[in-house]
Amino acid sequence: GAVVSQHPSRVICKSGTSVKIECRSLDFQATTMFWYRQFPKQSLMLMATSNEGSKATYEQGVEKDKFLINHASLTLSTLTVTSAHPEDSSFYICSALYPLAGSYEQYFGPGTRLTVT
Amino acid sequence: AQSVTQPDIHITVSEGASLELRCNYSYGATPYLFWYVQSPGQGLQLLLKYFSGDTLVQGIKGFEAEFKRSQSSFNLRKPSVHWSDAAEYFCAVGAGRDDKIIFGKGTRLHILP
Repeated sequence: GAVVSQHPSRVICKSGTSVKIECRSLDFQATTMFWYRQFPKQSLMLMATSNEGSKATYEQGVEKDKFLINHASLTLSTLTVTSAHPEDSSFYICSALYPLAGSYEQYFGPGTRLTVT
Repeated sequence: AQSVTQPDIHITVSEGASLELRCNYSYGATPYLFWYVQSPGQGLQLLLKYFSGDTLVQGIKGFEAEFKRSQSSFNLRKPSVHWSDAAEYFCAVGAGRDDKIIFGKGTRLHILP
């Protein structure tokens, strides 16, 4: 089956610094990827839709200047949290659309735990 | 805009008992519906999905779900739960096969031995 990886799995950074999270589709090309965040014991909230070669589409209330998304290739999307603050500490999950039998299925990465101190 | 409601935050059942997790959706057209499971420290795993056709959908791990348009529901069922089924379950809805997915708040399933 399709595999989506994320790197790093865990990261701790200091307040005010930036951190980059990578999302890779390992064995397929994904023109569309999605980024979610999940606070402890809460649901996944969609942050943005990332399309290869074009600007990401952000959900309402998500600061595009704070959460920079780059989908430069068909197998890689990156999320950069700029000037991170403790309230940005969360579990970030990406997913990629996998073409399957004339349709698509969304595969999720294992997530990245971000802690801002 | 689509939305999903999972009315039960926690559900506790005994091992071997049957299970039903409720999910109601709001969407103007025919929705694309999903159930995912997330075990502690693990990523999301798709249990089953409904796009069209037979309204009773079979999934992995012995789960099934039934789409009821009249009730705007997509409840998840399992006839006999195992201790390993303890996890967080998310119902989700999408507008299309390649569209974003909106998740419900989740139901945490606890299993009594």
